[in-house]
Amino acid sequence: AQSVSQHNHHVILSEAASLELGCNYSYGGTVNLFWYVQYPGQHLQLLLKYFSGDPLVKGIKGFEAEFIKSKFSFNLRKPSVQWSDTAEYFCAVNARNTDKLIFGTGTRLQVFP
Amino acid sequence: NAGVMQNPRHLVRRRGQEARLRCSPMKGHSHVYWYRQLPEEGLKFMVYLQKENIIDESGMPKERFSAEFPKEGPSILRIQQVVRGDSAAYFCASSPIREQGGTEAFFGQGTRLTVV
Repeated sequence: AQSVSQHNHHVILSEAASLELGCNYSYGGTVNLFWYVQYPGQHLQLLLKYFSGDPLVKGIKGFEAEFIKSKFSFNLRKPSVQWSDTAEYFCAVNARNTDKLIFGTGTRLQVFP
Repeated sequence: NAGVMQNPRHLVRRRGQEARLRCSPMKGHSHVYWYRQLPEEGLKFMVYLQKENIIDESGMPKERFSAEFPKEGPSILRIQQVVRGDSAAYFCASSPIREQGGTEAFFGQGTRLTVV
């Protein structure tokens, strides 16, 4: 069965610090990978996605993620966070050609000015 | 183009009552998914539906929970005889017909169910 692990449950940073959130998945086949963000009181929004091609994916708001197949990882990065990045971040996976998204438990990011 | 619409946003039910959660997918989307988010947990897949068909209900509890997506109208997640453990945020997502390789799902704002 597929599963997704997000090891950082709660991350606290100051503005301008660099961010890296870990995401590892377990599935032997080809996968699609996603990062979603949930701002306080709002719905989940897609930050970025990887289906195929360049393993370094750029998303909205300066976020990027790198798919490393050998490590089953899809870590999210941002070189310089802002207070407005305070939110919960979810990594998600689905097996290629299926529709069921499997989510990690999420990482709560707090950015202090 | 309105996003995925869920209502109500907040729902309070007494133990033993029924809860009905509604989800209208984005225009043109034929796939609907329901997820449940418990405190301190991620989103757990419950069910995947297309119009008039349940495609995958592997995440649905065996009893008291049901879902439908009729030809006309919104998708409904129904919880009968609610218990305190059903208190959670329930999210609906929709997607169009899957493109080659993969498809993005768009989420609604969720319904927060509280059982008292």
